[in-house]
Amino acid sequence: EDQVTQSPEALRLQEGESSSLNCSYTVSGLRGLFWYRQDPGKGPEFLFTLYSAGEEKEKERLKATLTKKESFLHITAPKPEDSATYLCAVQEDTGTASKLTFGTGTRLQVTL
Amino acid sequence: EAQVTQNPRYLITVTGKKLTVTCSQNMNHEYMSWYRQDPGLGLRQIYYSMNVEVTDKGDVPEGYKVSRKEKRNFPLILESPSPNQTSLYFCASSLYGGFNEQFFGPGTRLTVL
Repeated sequence: EDQVTQSPEALRLQEGESSSLNCSYTVSGLRGLFWYRQDPGKGPEFLFTLYSAGEEKEKERLKATLTKKESFLHITAPKPEDSATYLCAVQEDTGTASKLTFGTGTRLQVTL
Repeated sequence: EAQVTQNPRYLITVTGKKLTVTCSQNMNHEYMSWYRQDPGLGLRQIYYSMNVEVTDKGDVPEGYKVSRKEKRNFPLILESPSPNQTSLYFCASSLYGGFNEQFFGPGTRLTVL
């Protein structure tokens, strides 16, 4: 049973064409939701942490939002350098230990 | 430069031959973790450590061992590697004692024949 699902799997945008990536989760006790960017051949790079529904974070052309069941990563007027795989991860509060689950990512390609 | 380093970056080995992948961070982070990344499965946590001498299992710990004798180092040990451990491995560290703002290493691509 998937706890973290990202959609779409791949997305191709033209430069300047805004869009959103989705991360839906089914954990019962959310402790935190994280967004990372991963370039080919490299380790993930931290972008945002969201803790509670209604929270929003922004960084340059990226804005992350959180509801009780999903998170969106909005990309405004993307540029080719925004091309990467975007990963979300959910930390579940299990009471005795922390469990972190990653989604499989959305591959974003931004063309001129 | 603040960073997480892993060695080796690439390794081809044979079934049953013990190996160690080293991980070191220079940011004085308390929290460190190991992940494997496989196509279609995403990143899965193998082991994590909240502090020196404190380690715990992640989602896929079978076939792996770790140790945390010093704050900066967190080696991953495969006592008897098998082909299903062929994967891309990442080490990560975090200042805040949890999963927030993890810094990832460059990855180690392991092939077990």
